[in-house]
Amino acid sequence: AQKVTQAQTEISVVEKEDVTLDCVYETRDTTYYLFWYKQPPSGELVFLIRRNSFDEQNEISGRYSWNFQKSTSSFNFTITASQVVDSAVYFCALSENEQGGSEKLVFGKGTKLTVNP
Amino acid sequence: EAQVTQNPRYLITVTGKKLTVTCSQNMNHEYMSWYRQDPGLGLRQIYYSMNVEVTDKGDVPEGYKVSRKEKRNFPLILESPSPNQTSLYFCASSSWRTGGNEQFFGPGTRLTVL
Repeated sequence: AQKVTQAQTEISVVEKEDVTLDCVYETRDTTYYLFWYKQPPSGELVFLIRRNSFDEQNEISGRYSWNFQKSTSSFNFTITASQVVDSAVYFCALSENEQGGSEKLVFGKGTKLTVNP
Repeated sequence: EAQVTQNPRYLITVTGKKLTVTCSQNMNHEYMSWYRQDPGLGLRQIYYSMNVEVTDKGDVPEGYKVSRKEKRNFPLILESPSPNQTSLYFCASSSWRTGGNEQFFGPGTRLTVL
């Protein structure tokens, strides 16, 4: 069965520190997709990135970067030079194309990041 | 603007009083889904729909109903709400035809059942 583990429940850092959020997943499929979503205090879910299982290239977007390693089934997210506005709950999620095409997202339990000034 | 809308955004109700949370998307997406978010549990899928008149159970369907009479709408129905259905609910949609597409989420509905 699919499973996503975010072992870090809460992380607190001081502004400008780098922080890495861990995500480990389990799946039996060879084709799957990984996502990160941000949930700021206002509550909405903001899409950050999608990765398919055949693309192991790391990605950088501004202060955000993602490290996808199939060998360890991990898809970690790093924020460089964190800012107070990065304070949020971050969810890692896994999607498989189930029989019939269902695209259920299986979410980790989330990591609450607090960036203190 | 491409979006998923949910109404109401906030609702306080009492046990047993039927309610419906509406969800609508304007992106012509085939796939729609409902999730609930609870502290310490993340988001869990309630029901999903692959297309009009096609719905199926997710991981936590008990106490909920859905319908998909039109492509754009996917209402969530609680026939007899109970306090354990107090939660934050999200509707999502995506185009599944190419697989693994980003799911667009609505703004969420915070439901409290007294």
